[in-house]
Amino acid sequence: DTGVSQDPRHKITKRGQNVTFRCDPISEHNRLYWYRQTLGQGPEFLTYFQNEAQLEKSRLLSDRFSAERPKGSFSTLEIQRTEQGDSAMYLCASRRGGRFVETQYFGPGTRLLVL
Amino acid sequence: ELKVEQNPLFLSMQEGKNYTIYCNYSTTSDRLYWYRQDPGKSLESLFVLLSNGAVKQEGRLMASLDTKARLSTLHITAAVHDLSATYFCAVDIYSGNTPLVFGKGTRLSVIA
Repeated sequence: DTGVSQDPRHKITKRGQNVTFRCDPISEHNRLYWYRQTLGQGPEFLTYFQNEAQLEKSRLLSDRFSAERPKGSFSTLEIQRTEQGDSAMYLCASRRGGRFVETQYFGPGTRLLVL
Repeated sequence: ELKVEQNPLFLSMQEGKNYTIYCNYSTTSDRLYWYRQDPGKSLESLFVLLSNGAVKQEGRLMASLDTKARLSTLHITAAVHDLSATYFCAVDIYSGNTPLVFGKGTRLSVIA
């Protein structure tokens, strides 16, 4: 068990550029979650997957955001035409679904700064 | 809309003192989670409380859950500097392994 990993850890981009983040969950976890956290706030849910199926998207997830989990393993989160308001820490978490009741395990996060 | 409220939001404690952080939530969820976050770091799971009356302890931290009152507490005993961090409580949006709704966090600072 190597934990949840995210790449990159930091990203600086100019407004209007596209960025893509990757998350590798713990291998046996079929549920994967994306959250966004701004300074001084708790994480806010963006979207989540069970295997490759995207089950729900938050209203926070504008049309500029898209997420995929093509083979039910790693996931990507893409932000198109970035805006300064997108600057935040993007956190990925995973856990087993089904009858298992346990915590969500969080990755180290990707810190995005849009200039 | 599900709401999770923590208080206090900021807490400055002297080493050796005891204190309690409160977490109120607006849903009927029977599960509650506590996490710790150090500055610039990700979230570390502390406790998962799964039923009414659940109590869990780890070191100087003890968490409890009262689902009827929709209240969880995180009690800190004889605080030490290493406990300085931000503590979040969270509940599932729906029943089952769904996304979490977090409180705003309690920023704890333990001073000598």
